[in-house]
Amino acid sequence: DAGITQSPRHKVTETGTPVTLRCHQTENHRYMYWYRQDPGHGLRLIHYSYGVKDTDKGEVSDGYSVSRSKTEDFLLTLESATSSQTSVYFCAISEPGSTDTQYFGPGTRLTVL
Amino acid sequence: RKEVEQDPGPFNVPEGATVAFNCTYSNSASQSFFWYRQDCRKEPKLLMSVYSSGNEDGRFTAQLNRASQYISLLIRDSKLSDSATYLCVVNDPTSGTYKYIFGTGTRLKVLA
Repeated sequence: DAGITQSPRHKVTETGTPVTLRCHQTENHRYMYWYRQDPGHGLRLIHYSYGVKDTDKGEVSDGYSVSRSKTEDFLLTLESATSSQTSVYFCAISEPGSTDTQYFGPGTRLTVL
Repeated sequence: RKEVEQDPGPFNVPEGATVAFNCTYSNSASQSFFWYRQDCRKEPKLLMSVYSSGNEDGRFTAQLNRASQYISLLIRDSKLSDSATYLCVVNDPTSGTYKYIFGTGTRLKVLA
């Protein structure tokens, strides 16, 4: 299995509080992604990174920000959590030029009350 | 029309049966295609990439039909352990970077 960890694995928080999710990889892959998965929607891209300090928005980026100060870490921040951000969040990594395959972390289950 | 469409199922099949799933994609410029498997409350895991000539991995066969813009997954001799959701993934050729579009998944239940 690819070396990807996510923390925390579960979190319950209240509306209006800031939340930061962390993705850590040991594969030295250039690309990192944050997705959310909700019933009926499949996986939707929030933000992605193509290098240290290089990030871009995905299709559902409103209300989220990201940072990548090191190759191995990609942080997702909800500045002021809302109930609509209750979801399962997956981090993924890939290294273009090899197989273009994405490998996923174990996920973070976030509940916003 | 969704960019990547799959029949959500569930497909309920007996052990030993052969089952096939299709996935259609909307952008003819897509070049990379994958099938992922996702167990309940777990992360998606790569099952197989899909190559133009088709490819096989044990009981699993993947095919690409560019003319009709669909990929397929065939599972032979189904096992109870094959019960999962199968996700179709296609690269997004409009982005200029390595982004992917996911189908919502097809749920398979293999029954004893």
